[in-house]
Amino acid sequence: DQQVKQNSPSLSVQEGRISILNCDYTNSMFDYFLWYKKYPAEGPTFLISISSIKDKNEDGRFTVFLNKSAKHLSLHIVPSQPGDSAVYFCAASSQGGSEKLVFGKGTKLTVNP
Amino acid sequence: KAGVTQTPRYLIKTRGQQVTLSCSPISGHRSVSWYQQTPGQGLQFLFEYFSETQRNKGNFPGRFSGRQFSNSRSEMNVSTLELGDSALYLCASSLEGLRQYNEQFFGPGTRLTVL
Repeated sequence: DQQVKQNSPSLSVQEGRISILNCDYTNSMFDYFLWYKKYPAEGPTFLISISSIKDKNEDGRFTVFLNKSAKHLSLHIVPSQPGDSAVYFCAASSQGGSEKLVFGKGTKLTVNP
Repeated sequence: KAGVTQTPRYLIKTRGQQVTLSCSPISGHRSVSWYQQTPGQGLQFLFEYFSETQRNKGNFPGRFSGRQFSNSRSEMNVSTLELGDSALYLCASSLEGLRQYNEQFFGPGTRLTVL
């Protein structure tokens, strides 16, 4: 049973445009969400996070939106750059139970020049 | 500050063998987590160690085990290897573990191939 789902395995956008990566979760106990970026042959690197007490968190070109009622979060990258091409993982954790990170399967973003 | 290091980077084993992977966390980090990444399942949590104690465990069989030393370095062992154990094994460290919502820093991983 997949608790964190990234339904789009891949996404292709033009440089300068907005990239929107989506993530859905099923466990209502999740209260902290993270996005990681992964290049080939490297480990994931932390990008941005959001606590369930917020509905938006912004860091430069990256903004994460959280819709708790829909159990949905999204990562917006504006403007997209070719260097953003990577696999993006959504992850979630809950404070009350196990603190392990539960990851989605990732979305491969390709930003075309 | 040095990042998370994992050794070896690549490993080839045959079915039935056992393997030990090593992870050195960022200096000062006390929590070490292990993940398995496969194309079909994505990143799956194996276990987390904090102060030499296993604090969290994922849904993996007992063939997968680990330990953490007093210097926070961690090892992961897989016994009786199966073809399906072929994966990228990632180690991540954080200051106090997710309990404090500290971000995890990942190493480059160990690519294990089981023939």
